[in-house]
Amino acid sequence: QKEVEQDPGPLSVPEGAIVSLNCTYSNSAFQYFMWYRQYSRKGPELLMYTYSSGNKEDGRFTAQVDKSSKYISLFIRDSQPSDSATYLCAMKRTGTASKLTFGTGTRLQVTL
Amino acid sequence: DAGITQSPRYKITETGRQVTLMCHQTWSHSYMFWYRQDLGHGLRLIYYSAAADITDKGEVPDGYVVSRSKTENFPLTLESATRSQTSVYFCASREDRNYGYTFGSGTRLTVV
Repeated sequence: QKEVEQDPGPLSVPEGAIVSLNCTYSNSAFQYFMWYRQYSRKGPELLMYTYSSGNKEDGRFTAQVDKSSKYISLFIRDSQPSDSATYLCAMKRTGTASKLTFGTGTRLQVTL
Repeated sequence: DAGITQSPRYKITETGRQVTLMCHQTWSHSYMFWYRQDLGHGLRLIYYSAAADITDKGEVPDGYVVSRSKTENFPLTLESATRSQTSVYFCASREDRNYGYTFGSGTRLTVV
């Protein structure tokens, strides 16, 4: 079983919809949680970063962490065609030497 | 330009050949990483480096060699390329206290 599980999709939604992307994990030592967005033939770029449990909002994006359920979510409000990309969750334990563990990514397509 | 650059962007090589992928960052970040990205596997860590002359294995190091004589450069060498090493390779870096990684644009390697 992988440490981080993510539904690969693809997920297709109409423009303006609310999108929910999710990851589950098994390692309770994870404390830092991130979402990366990756456009086709590009490198991943950091979208959201949260520490421990709770919500974090940035414009149309909201990241949610539920450590008791080992479940993290990324919500995209008023989705746009420019949001079409692959979204990867990533997480790490405390300690500077600790490295990120990535989910496999969910491909999102926002249609006109 | 500030950032992290990878070269070449595309490479085709023959089985058994040695090939080196280059990675250069302009921020003097301590940590640098090499990942490979394959369908169904997501991003897998090959090698990482905490500082110049300090490198360590990641999840899938077999068949790869790295060096880090200067902080800004972190080349990845495939000593004798195999078809299973056909992949997209990403280099990334991060500051000591910043847990978010910055990725390069990737090198698409095909071994024939």
